[in-house]
Amino acid sequence: NAGVTQTPKFQVLKTGQSMTLQCAQDMNHEYMSWYRQDPGMGLRLIHYSVGAGITDQGEVPNGYNVSRSTTEDFPLRLLSAAPSQTSVYFCASSRQGRHTGELFFGEGSRLTVL
Amino acid sequence: GENVEQHPSTLSVQEGDSAVIKCTYSDSASNYFPWYKQELGKRPQLIIDIRSNVGEKKDQRIAVTLNKTAKHFSLHITETQPEDSAVYFCAASTGAAGNKLTFGGGTRVLVKP
Repeated sequence: NAGVTQTPKFQVLKTGQSMTLQCAQDMNHEYMSWYRQDPGMGLRLIHYSVGAGITDQGEVPNGYNVSRSTTEDFPLRLLSAAPSQTSVYFCASSRQGRHTGELFFGEGSRLTVL
Repeated sequence: GENVEQHPSTLSVQEGDSAVIKCTYSDSASNYFPWYKQELGKRPQLIIDIRSNVGEKKDQRIAVTLNKTAKHFSLHITETQPEDSAVYFCAASTGAAGNKLTFGGGTRVLVKP
């Protein structure tokens, strides 16, 4: 199993440009999520999904859009990039059941907005 | 929503000494408390977790304690080694929305040989 795969690993954008960060998992996990990591601020939840066709906002959703058309894929769209969105983005997935379990992270995508 | 605070933000220890990281949470409904380790340039990975029906859990040199009354939990690393140098994150979840975790700000641990 490849686990959680994110692309691209690095991206530079200009202010106002749009782009999509791709995330795919091959573990048949129901739960998928996107976090951003900024120095000293830990990991902050952007959006999450508990299954195909279901998405919800996390702690910092503004400026981002998601969709979940299949169990495997959970892309994150930046609608109009801003310098404040410069960050490292992590996609993560887990099984979903009666007990919360281990969150598996992708390798991360480093985004710079100029 | 849930708020998780983590202290200290940096921790420097001598090899062989112990390291302790403390976290507090705000939502009394939280019932799952994992700890993740992130090495430089790598992804976070789960190292240990504890559920609300348990007060302490150990796995070799690492242990986690939970005090639900005070709403705080701690990570203890004994006999630290250079490979323990990393950023450690605590997190909390109520389990009400899948595996929605709220993370603390992280602790950078440096183990000096």
